[in-house]
Amino acid sequence: QKEVEQDPGPLSVPEGAIVSLNCTYSNSAFQYFMWYRQYSRKGPELLMYTYSSGNKEDGRFTAQVDKSSKYISLFIRDSQPSDSATYLCAMEVNQFYFGTGTSLTVIP
Amino acid sequence: DAGVIQSPRHEVTEMGQEVTLRCKPISGHNSLFWYRQTMMRGLELLIYFNNNVPIDDSGMPEDRFSAKMPNASFSTLKIQPSEPRDSAVYFCASRPWDSNNSPLHFGNGTRLTVT
Repeated sequence: QKEVEQDPGPLSVPEGAIVSLNCTYSNSAFQYFMWYRQYSRKGPELLMYTYSSGNKEDGRFTAQVDKSSKYISLFIRDSQPSDSATYLCAMEVNQFYFGTGTSLTVIP
Repeated sequence: DAGVIQSPRHEVTEMGQEVTLRCKPISGHNSLFWYRQTMMRGLELLIYFNNNVPIDDSGMPEDRFSAKMPNASFSTLKIQPSEPRDSAVYFCASRPWDSNNSPLHFGNGTRLTVT
């Protein structure tokens, strides 16, 4: 079983939709949870970084962590074409573990 | 902050040739990581350094791969001899080592094609 599981998609939504991206994990020792956005032919860039269970909001983005269910989510409100990218979840305990990424396309 | 700088951006080489990828981490970051990304396997950690010392190289595929960090501002990943299955995007990332609350910062990668 992989440490981190992420649905690769692809996911296609109309502009303005609410997007939900999810990851599950197996290691209850994970302490830090991240979401990275990766545009085509670019490196991953950090979007959200959380430590505890609960929600963290930053503009149109909300990161949610449920440690009891070993489940994290990223919500994007009012999605824009510029949000079209691959989103990777990542977790850390001693080292980083990445999901394989979900490809998102927002259609104008 | 110039970010993590990698060179070259693209490398096309023939099987059997030596390939050297270069990385300059963010100033002040003393942990450096080399990752490989493919469609099939996603991001794979190859090796990471703390204060220029290799800590974990268990992800290096085989002896054809080697990495060095001669000083705090420069690292290389070398493949000799290269093979077509090495074709991938190679990322370098850095972060402050002594921070428990710091994510990785990635460069824009080197896209390697071995024919």
